[in-house]
Parts: sequence; structure tokens; C-alpha cells
Amino acid sequence: AQSVTQLGSHVSVSEGALVLLRCNYSSSVPPYLFWYVQYPNQGLQLLLKYTSAATLVKGINGFEAEFKKSETSFHLTKPSAHMSDAAEYFCAVVHYNNNDMRFGAGTRLTVKP
Amino acid sequence: DAGITQSPRHKVTETGTPVTLRCHQTENHRYMYWYRQDPGHGLRLIHYSYGVKDTDKGEVSDGYSVSRSKTEDFLLTLESATSSQTSVYFCAIRTRAPIDASGRSSYNEQFFGPGTRLTVL
Repeated sequence: AQSVTQLGSHVSVSEGALVLLRCNYSSSVPPYLFWYVQYPNQGLQLLLKYTSAATLVKGINGFEAEFKKSETSFHLTKPSAHMSDAAEYFCAVVHYNNNDMRFGAGTRLTVKP
Repeated sequence: DAGITQSPRHKVTETGTPVTLRCHQTENHRYMYWYRQDPGHGLRLIHYSYGVKDTDKGEVSDGYSVSRSKTEDFLLTLESATSSQTSVYFCAIRTRAPIDASGRSSYNEQFFGPGTRLTVL
């Protein structure tokens, strides 16, 4: 079965600094990959998705992610962190022909003033 | 907002009692999912449905059952709640993606409800 690993359960950055959240996937067939964000006491909201079109995917709130097949990675980046980016972020993988989406354990992002 | 509501939003119950959580959608989407969220595990799929009366098991289905008698409602039942089922439960829906030029179906994202916090004492 496919799976994802998120490196770092907690990441802390200063406001204005680069945000880098790491996600590596395992899949025997071309995957679909997603990044979701969760604010406290809320459901998950889609940030961006990779579905085999462009390898550099732009999402909401200035986030983007690059699909690198050779590295089996789909890291999430944002050039300049904002206080409102503090949240938990989840990477997820699924195959096109099944419903078994697998999530990573999540990375909690803290933004310091 | 994909028109997803979950009820109840919070519930405290005793070990051994049955519990039913409801997910309701207003947009007639075919696919519906139940997940549980626990620290250190992210979200894990319990059961999903691909149509009325069509359901299948997910990664952590033991101790849970589901029913879907109408397109808009997907019920999750804990037949006899245990403390290990204390968790936050999320419902999600997914729209069916179109077939691309290569004949392959793409995969639309899932939209999540607000969650139900269940505590089993």
C-alpha cells in the first residue's frame, strides 16, 4: 500500500522566514499527492494537489510544492512565513483507482514574531 | 465549504455503549469517507462509501460499522464503544473526477467536515 512520511513533527520558523515542510511518499504506481492544513478545532482544508500535470504546484496562501519522482518527495514551501500560517499540515497520497488515501502523521508549524 | 455537517460535534459516552455519528452532505456527492484523527497518526480511514448501500472497509475498520441508505447521509456506528475509540472523527466527501485524454480517471480532492470529538470513559 502507498504511504507518506513527514519529516519533523514540529517546525518552528520566524515570521518572514522560509517555510519548508518535508513529505516523502512510497508508491508502486504513479500517485496523486495532496497537502492539507488544519487550524485548531477545525477540519482539514486543501492547500494544493499534484495529479500528474505540472510538477511544480501552486496552492492557496502562497504555498507551493514540487513533485520529484527521483526523490519520491513532495515538499511544501512558502517563501515568507506569516503568523497566520501557524497550523498543522498533512501530506497525503492516493492511487487514481482506489479510495484508500493515506495521510502522514502531520507537522505542526509554529511562527515566531 | 462542500456542505458537510457532522453531528453531534461533541460526545462523551461510557465504555460498552453504542454510538452513532452522522455525516450529512447537501450536494449529492457519490463518495463519502469516515476517518479518525489521533496524535502521531494523522488521519486513518475507517470506512468509505461509493454509493447508496455500497461501502467498504478502510485501514482501521475493526469495531466500526457504517450505513448509507441515502446519498446525503453516511452513518458511523461504534457497536460497543471502547476507550481506544476516543478520537476526533472526520467525515469527507469526494467528487468524481473526469476521465483524462489518456483514458485515466484523475482524482479529485476530498473535502472534510468539521469533526466530532468523541470521548469514551
